[in-house]
Amino acid sequence: DVKVTQSSRYLVKRTGEKVFLECVQDMDHENMFWYRQDPGLGLRLIYFSYDVKMKEKGDIPEGYSVSREKKERFSLILESASTNQTSMYLCASSPWGLAGEKASTDTQYFGPGTRLTVL
Amino acid sequence: GEDVEQSLFLSVREGDSSVINCTYTDSSSTYLYWYKQEPGAGLQLLTYIFSNMDMKQDQRLTVLLNKKDKHLSLRIADTQTGDSAIYFCAERYGGTASKLTFGTGTRLQVTL
Repeated sequence: DVKVTQSSRYLVKRTGEKVFLECVQDMDHENMFWYRQDPGLGLRLIYFSYDVKMKEKGDIPEGYSVSREKKERFSLILESASTNQTSMYLCASSPWGLAGEKASTDTQYFGPGTRLTVL
Repeated sequence: GEDVEQSLFLSVREGDSSVINCTYTDSSSTYLYWYKQEPGAGLQLLTYIFSNMDMKQDQRLTVLLNKKDKHLSLRIADTQTGDSAIYFCAERYGGTASKLTFGTGTRLQVTL
């Protein structure tokens, strides 16, 4: 079974702190994603990565950065946490390649989430 | 940009059928997915449908796709209390194979 783990289930930080959220997958997936989930807004993509050291902005990258130094690990960084970044953060990975490859039912596999509260 | 919409809440009685609806805007969608999120957990894939299909059945789950209206639905037969969760539809569009756009999620409450 694919396993995606996130470093913390719950995290409380103060405004202005630098926050690291870690995600690790054990299936050698090329692609990894960070989302935030807010009530009534669904999942919104923050950043994704399709290879080591590669990253692309998603729909709401402002205030966030990412790091992918190893294939299995994708980190989300809040450089200076703010109260509007209080949210549930979900990491996902997938085995999809470039467009056209593995054009199948391959889907994204999610971690359990990290609920971050910024005071 | 792409937009996927769902109603926020649905309440059904145990044993009844549940129908969760979703509308999407990107006509180039290739696959459409239904995910389930139980309390305190991440998302788990329930089922999917390819865009050239109209219907797919998988045990208690039936997915209907109306491409003309860009409407997707998930029917759960004989709904059980264990089906209480948030259900997300998602579309995978042709531009970048890896990306999905998720709906807002529908919270299904199953009452006795």
